[in-house]
Amino acid sequence: DTAVSQTPKYLVTQMGNDKSIKCEQNLGHDTMYWYKQDSKKFLKIMFSYNNKELIINETVPNRFSPKSPDKAHLNLHINSLELGDSAVYFCASSQGPKRGETQYFGPGTRLLVL
Amino acid sequence: EDQVTQSPEALRLQEGESSSLNCSYTVSGLRGLFWYRQDPGKGPEFLFTLYSAGEEKEKERLKATLTKKESFLHITAPKPEDSATYLCAVQGSGNTGKLIFGQGTTLQVKP
Repeated sequence: DTAVSQTPKYLVTQMGNDKSIKCEQNLGHDTMYWYKQDSKKFLKIMFSYNNKELIINETVPNRFSPKSPDKAHLNLHINSLELGDSAVYFCASSQGPKRGETQYFGPGTRLLVL
Repeated sequence: EDQVTQSPEALRLQEGESSSLNCSYTVSGLRGLFWYRQDPGKGPEFLFTLYSAGEEKEKERLKATLTKKESFLHITAPKPEDSATYLCAVQGSGNTGKLIFGQGTTLQVKP
């Protein structure tokens, strides 16, 4: 049983296109996150939702828009894709945003913008 | 500003050769320090959470320790299957759960 799943696993697209990445967790967690991992494997937080409420919104271009239809799902929509958006995007979830809650990560979506 | 620095960036060991990975951090109000393992092409896999200086946790050949400024991940008698990138992250004050990650240490264990 997959705890945190993401689709698609790979995404190859042209500059200027709009794309979405979907994330689902079956752990019953209240909080979900989006991270970006660059070519140097550096993981950086982008967004977080707790009970469908946005609680983290880092310095990310407006072209990136997260949406949480319910507690188990967090999607990431990217408009007007740029070369620099190429990276691996990870979804994660935790019981809550409080002290020391472990975050569990999905398998990642590898985005390549040509 | 919260910051995490891991060293070394890469480490090559012979099977059975014990060593330690370092994670130095500066954070306002540590709420937790996390160690993850990441295999190529996969998502980070949770290993340990440490909450306060002096705390230690063990799992098989891995032992994580924490001081007020740094954490160590000790690997005893490593095997080739321990080869992976090990990530350290801290959670500071605030109720957002935000994790600040280091750049990772890529470990290669040769048979």
